Amino acid sequence: EAGVAQSPRYKIIEKRQSVAFWCNPISGHATLYWYQQILGQGPKLLIQFQNNGVVDDSQLPKDRFSAERLKGVDSTLKIQPAKLEDSAVYLCASSLDIGAREQYFGPGTRLTVT
Amino acid sequence: AQKVTQAQTEISVVEKEDVTLDCVYETRDTTYYLFWYKQPPSGELVFLIRRNSFDEQNEISGRYSWNFQKSTSSFNFTITASQVVDSAVYFCALSDPGRLYFGRGTQLTVWP
Repeated sequence: EAGVAQSPRYKIIEKRQSVAFWCNPISGHATLYWYQQILGQGPKLLIQFQNNGVVDDSQLPKDRFSAERLKGVDSTLKIQPAKLEDSAVYLCASSLDIGAREQYFGPGTRLTVT
Repeated sequence: AQKVTQAQTEISVVEKEDVTLDCVYETRDTTYYLFWYKQPPSGELVFLIRRNSFDEQNEISGRYSWNFQKSTSSFNFTITASQVVDSAVYFCALSDPGRLYFGRGTQLTVWP
């Protein structure tokens, strides 16, 4: 069974530029999560989708971050404009449904903002 | 509010030693889940174990064992006879349920 796929794996941009990350969850998983992991810290939830609807985006900095999951499968996370403090690893995870307990994580995208 | 504390930032052991990773959590929920994840240098978080708040039975799975004590809000993780491949960052997490709240992680280094 294929795991959670993410691309790109690495991205370097200058501050004030925009960037987008892509995630393809495990087939059949209805719930998708985006986490931000700053160096030396644990992952922090940014946004949670159930199919193509947003369940929780309370920690998403909406002035610069946006995310969508249009067809209830793939998802895109965008940052515009990026700030230095956005440098982090962005992890995508999926689970069978909102009640399922195990979340399966992708390899992450390491973003460096200079 | 949900909170997970991993007081140990780094642990170094020599291969074949046993090592215990500590985790203390805070929650007002009566139903919750606790997890341990492993993050090797490749960066991917690997699910290790889940425990629900009603199941305090401790378990051993191969070289891994877990000690869940609700009275002290602790969920500790032990690796017996550690191996070099166990070197990674280990995260304890709490689910309320749905979103995961992670601790800051413990970097485990196992030397040959």
